[in-house]
Amino acid sequence: DAGVTQSPTHLIKTRGQQVTLRCSPKSGHDTVSWYQQALGQGPQFIFQYYEEEERQRGNFPDRFSGHQFPNYSSELNVNALLLGDSALYLCASSFNLYEQYFGPGTRLTVT
Amino acid sequence: GQQVMQIPQYQHVQEGEDFTTYCNSSTTLSNIQWYKQRPGGHPVFLIQLVKSGEVKKQKRLTFQFGEAKKNSSLHITATQTTDVGTYFCAKFGGKLIFGQGTELSVKP
Repeated sequence: DAGVTQSPTHLIKTRGQQVTLRCSPKSGHDTVSWYQQALGQGPQFIFQYYEEEERQRGNFPDRFSGHQFPNYSSELNVNALLLGDSALYLCASSFNLYEQYFGPGTRLTVT
Repeated sequence: GQQVMQIPQYQHVQEGEDFTTYCNSSTTLSNIQWYKQRPGGHPVFLIQLVKSGEVKKQKRLTFQFGEAKKNSSLHITATQTTDVGTYFCAKFGGKLIFGQGTELSVKP
């Protein structure tokens, strides 16, 4: 049984560009949450998707958007990248919102 | 702003010594979760506490939830090099609000 998978593993982008990160949840999980983890910090909640709808959103600008597909996989899109967007982006999936399983993350570097 | 405060930020111990990290909130918590993140890795769920005064043990790890449900602690007895990583507490209400984490290093 595969756990949460994320792609790509690493990514380097230039300021102003756009990026799409992908997440496949653990089998049987229907809820996907995205977190941003800056170096030396705890993960910060971006948003959560359930039944293809954004259910909750953290304090992130509209440049951050997402999508959930019928197979429960999800994408995180960031437009107009800033240097401060450099971080580890984590996807977490759950079924009953109790125990969240995190993926390995995507390390985004903005230059 | 940060809703869950965690101390200390760093802890360096000799292998075999004990380790404790503390998590505090200004408001009553409905629950507290603990995660471990190895260097270069991702957070891994350890446990959830929900009851006032709750104490749970996992081998050498002891988790406590305060009587007022405003604080929690994680204690590791006789640390090993495999305990190295950052330990996070997080409050959960549909989404996780993480503390800043305590980075543990263990000198063999």
